[in-house]
Amino acid sequence: ILNVEQSPQSLHVQEGDSTNFTCSFPSSNFYALHWYRWETAKSPEALFVMTLNGDEKKKGRISATLNTKEGYSYLYIKGSQPEDSATYLCAFTMGGYQKVTFGTGTKLQVIP
Amino acid sequence: EPEVTQTPSHQVTQMGQEVILRCVPISNHLYFYWYRQILGQKVEFLVSFYNNEISEKSEIFDDQFSVERPDGSNFTLKIRSTKLEDSAMYFCASSGVHEWEETQYFGPGTRLLVL
Repeated sequence: ILNVEQSPQSLHVQEGDSTNFTCSFPSSNFYALHWYRWETAKSPEALFVMTLNGDEKKKGRISATLNTKEGYSYLYIKGSQPEDSATYLCAFTMGGYQKVTFGTGTKLQVIP
Repeated sequence: EPEVTQTPSHQVTQMGQEVILRCVPISNHLYFYWYRQILGQKVEFLVSFYNNEISEKSEIFDDQFSVERPDGSNFTLKIRSTKLEDSAMYFCASSGVHEWEETQYFGPGTRLLVL
């Protein structure tokens, strides 16, 4: 059983604060790490797919880093806005398999 | 922007009944997936589908489940005889013009309630 853990489970930040969350995954036989943003009553929205150790990806105020050797990824949000409020999911794919294993998510609430 | 659509958005059924959940993936995608999320639990992989056949399935995807791409646009998940524990949100996703490991695009989900 693959274990993909995310922390914290939930987070409240003030508008304008920067924040980050962690996803940890098995470091052996790594293939890809996905980050999704999931707003209530909407589809999970793909943010990043990362495949290489040391990858850094950026989309506006959101960025992510990847360390496959130690099995973690960080998602950063700079200057949080109320519209960033959502659950952020990471998902791990092992080499040779199509199955994607999701973490439990970090629920972010940005307080205006 | 192209998107994955799913119907119905909600379905209520009696235990033992068959249900078919429908998905229309993004038109040029080649890889298709079903996931489910039981309330309060993680999103779980059910099955992936490529080139008109199942390419991988999880231990959840037993003989009660089947998938089909009947007409080149729809992708369906059938549950033959629903159980109470099948109540969940079911998500369809599609990906990949080239490789299955590319970004997966999710539909809005079908909430299934088995009574």
